[in-house]
Amino acid sequence: GNSVTQMEGPVTLSEEAFLTINCTYTATGYPSLFWYVQYPGEGLQLLLKATKADDKGSNKGFEATYRKETTSFHLEKGSVQVSDSAVYFCALNQFYFGTGTSLTVIP
Amino acid sequence: GAGVSQSPRYKVAKRGQDVALRCDPISGHVSLFWYQQALGQGPEFLTYFQNEAQLDKSGLPSDRFFAERPEGSVSTLKIQRTQQEDSAVYLCASSTTGTGNSEAFFGQGTRLTVV
Repeated sequence: GNSVTQMEGPVTLSEEAFLTINCTYTATGYPSLFWYVQYPGEGLQLLLKATKADDKGSNKGFEATYRKETTSFHLEKGSVQVSDSAVYFCALNQFYFGTGTSLTVIP
Repeated sequence: GAGVSQSPRYKVAKRGQDVALRCDPISGHVSLFWYQQALGQGPEFLTYFQNEAQLDKSGLPSDRFFAERPEGSVSTLKIQRTQQEDSAVYLCASSTTGTGNSEAFFGQGTRLTVV
């Protein structure tokens, strides 16, 4: 069946540090992969997506590459800011979500 | 409105009561999804509509849960004889197409507390 396994949190980083949040998936067929973000007090919103193998999604300095050979879609950012503090969810199509990773960036 | 709207934002129900949760999707969006989100967890899929047709209800946890979207726009999630384990945030999302690669736009959710 289909599922998403996401790196457990919480994660605390200093400003300008490098961020990686791991996400792996199990899927039949050729799903699309998403990262959603939930800022404090707000609803989930799309951060980036990739619809086929080797695609790279990017937005707001975040990137993730759809790796079919390792069934992964890891989220990365080279230099995090305090405003990136949020909960991040990896998702497969619109049906399967990871458990979320809470990120806190301290000045 | 500009986004997905859910009401009420908060609902307290006594165990055994029936509740109805409403979702107004973005106008023109074909697909509508319901999720249940427990504290500290990710959204768990409940059911999915394409226009008025309920194409997948495999995530509904029991026959006490029922969802409808009779005119292909507003949707209602009904929970009968609520139990404490039903306490969660219920999220609604809509997307433009019926395919899996479309962005889902989420509402703020309804926080249900069963006492």
